Amino acid sequence: AQSVTQLGSHVSVSEGALVLLRCNYSSSVPPYLFWYVQYPNQGLQLLLKYTTGATLVKGINGFEAEFKKSETSFHLTKPSAHMSDAAEYFCASGGTSYGKLTFGQGTILTVHP
Amino acid sequence: DGGITQSPKYLFRKEGQNVTLSCEQNLNHDAMYWYRQDPGQGLRLIYYSQIVNDFQKGDIAEGYSVSREKKESFPLTVTSAQKNPTAFYLCASGTGGSGANVLTFGAGSRLTVL
Repeated sequence: AQSVTQLGSHVSVSEGALVLLRCNYSSSVPPYLFWYVQYPNQGLQLLLKYTTGATLVKGINGFEAEFKKSETSFHLTKPSAHMSDAAEYFCASGGTSYGKLTFGQGTILTVHP
Repeated sequence: DGGITQSPKYLFRKEGQNVTLSCEQNLNHDAMYWYRQDPGQGLRLIYYSQIVNDFQKGDIAEGYSVSREKKESFPLTVTSAQKNPTAFYLCASGTGGSGANVLTFGAGSRLTVL
């Protein structure tokens, strides 16, 4: 069975600082990996995804993530945080059938002025 | 614009009552999903459907029921058998098949049991 672990339920950064949100996955087969963002009382929006090929994936709003098979990690980064980045972020893993996703617990990002 | 519409956005229910949450998509997606979101627990899969008139239980199906009579619609009924129904419910759709498919989410329905 797949599982996704996000380290840190809350991350706080200053505006302009580096954002690093951690995600580790457990899978018996190479996974498909996703990062989604959720603003309060809204649905989830896709930030980026890794399927095959290049291990450094660029997404929307300046975010990127690197797939590291040896570390079973898919951490999300952004060089400079903006106030509008404040939201909850979810890492997810896709299996090989039916398009089902397994989600991590979520990380709430707070950005201070 | 194509998307997923969930209604109602907010719903209050008395204990012992069934309620139905609506989910409609105009993306021509084959697959539809219902997730439940609780603080600190991420999203957990309730039911999913790959095709009309067929659906499968997810990880937490007890106390819930669904139907898929039309490709565009996948309503979720929260029954009185669900012990702790207060949560945020998210409907999603996708092309299905591969685990690489991207899900599109609705804006969610927040259910509160009084």
